Amino acid sequence: AQKITQTQPGMFVQEKEAVTLDCTYDTSDQSYGLFWYKQPSSGEMIFLIYQGSYDEQNATEGRYSLNFQKARKSANLVISASQLGDSAMYFCAMREGPHNQGGKLIFGQGTELSVKP
Amino acid sequence: DGGITQSPKYLFRKEGQNVTLSCEQNLNHDAMYWYRQDPGQGLRLIYYSQIVNDFQKGDIAEGYSVSREKKESFPLTVTSAQKNPTAFYLCASSGRQGRGETQYFGPGTRLLVL
Repeated sequence: AQKITQTQPGMFVQEKEAVTLDCTYDTSDQSYGLFWYKQPSSGEMIFLIYQGSYDEQNATEGRYSLNFQKARKSANLVISASQLGDSAMYFCAMREGPHNQGGKLIFGQGTELSVKP
Repeated sequence: DGGITQSPKYLFRKEGQNVTLSCEQNLNHDAMYWYRQDPGQGLRLIYYSQIVNDFQKGDIAEGYSVSREKKESFPLTVTSAQKNPTAFYLCASSGRQGRGETQYFGPGTRLLVL
């Protein structure tokens, strides 16, 4: 069965430093998608970055990059130059099946990131 | 602005009462989803719909019902059969173009039982 594991319940990082949030996944599908979302205390889920299973290069979106290691089934999120506004819960998620057929997301338990001034 | 709206922001339910959560999107997305989030947990899928007049159960559909009469709207009813409805409910939608059909979320509704 598909599963997402985030082993870090909480993380601290100093402002302006980089931080890596871990995510491992388990699937028997060849085609899948991996997503990271940010959830601030207001509750909304904000899309950050996407990586397709067939993408050869790691995804990047501004200060966010995804360290995709397919053989190890890991999809870690790297946030560079942390800012106080980055303090939030971060969720890793996986979409089941090919990307042109929609499909539900499976979420990890989340990592709470705190950025210290 | 294009986006997803959910209402109300807070909802209180009495014992034995059915309540309906609204979700509307103007992104022209085909697919819509309802998730439930309990404190300190990730999201779990309740129902999803990939096209008008069609929907499928997710992992925790018992005690919930949905309809999809219009592309823009996907309301969720929490019935009296749902014995533990207190949670944060998030609606999402996705389109077929780009970014692996990324799901975009509304602001959520917090449901509390009186």
